[in-house]
Amino acid sequence: DTAVSQTPKYLVTQMGNDKSIKCEQNLGHDTMYWYKQDSKKFLKIMFSYNNKELIINETVPNRFSPKSPDKAHLNLHINSLELGDSAVYFCASSPGTGFQAEAFFGQGTRLTVV
Amino acid sequence: AQKVTQAQTEISVVEKEDVTLDCVYETRDTTYYLFWYKQPPSGELVFLIRRNSFDEQNEISGRYSWNFQKSTSSFNFTITASQVVDSAVYFCALSENSNSGYALNFGKGTSLLVTP
Repeated sequence: DTAVSQTPKYLVTQMGNDKSIKCEQNLGHDTMYWYKQDSKKFLKIMFSYNNKELIINETVPNRFSPKSPDKAHLNLHINSLELGDSAVYFCASSPGTGFQAEAFFGQGTRLTVV
Repeated sequence: AQKVTQAQTEISVVEKEDVTLDCVYETRDTTYYLFWYKQPPSGELVFLIRRNSFDEQNEISGRYSWNFQKSTSSFNFTITASQVVDSAVYFCALSENSNSGYALNFGKGTSLLVTP
């Protein structure tokens, strides 16, 4: 019944590993996003994606890659994890591609790299 | 450059006090949207309000009210008669046509603590 769901909620992994975070939305929205919230609570866009276009924030390392098997899913894959990747990652979705619609957020995935 | 500035990092009030959270934004677009989100201690992001750039009417929803002033590029949020359950981090956000598409550009948040 959850609109935007992420799995797992918590992820602890060692440096150098590769991991994925899954995101699914059942709202029929066209656009999905990944945001990163750092230890100071600052939220920053990483990617926005719809079936036509992927927009990447230029500050995101290329170790991060979004993968969308279909319109309802946007997974985040991270290669060669580093300590600085520890953060809370939020998936979100919104209808259409414009900014007139609110973004619905998942509950977040707390990633800890040790 | 920071597009959304929330100058108040932390605010502490006693229950039943009124409190205003400030938000100042920067954009060159004539069409844009402003948002407020609440992040309680449980961590989820809860949508509170969306306002478009052409609608400067103030809005009231229960104990919450918002004051949008284009002349000062501000979108302030007031909680009247605060309650302990209002304790959370509050984020103001701007959506405009930018290098990140139309994604939300968040301020750094204001942590509100309401004590009994």
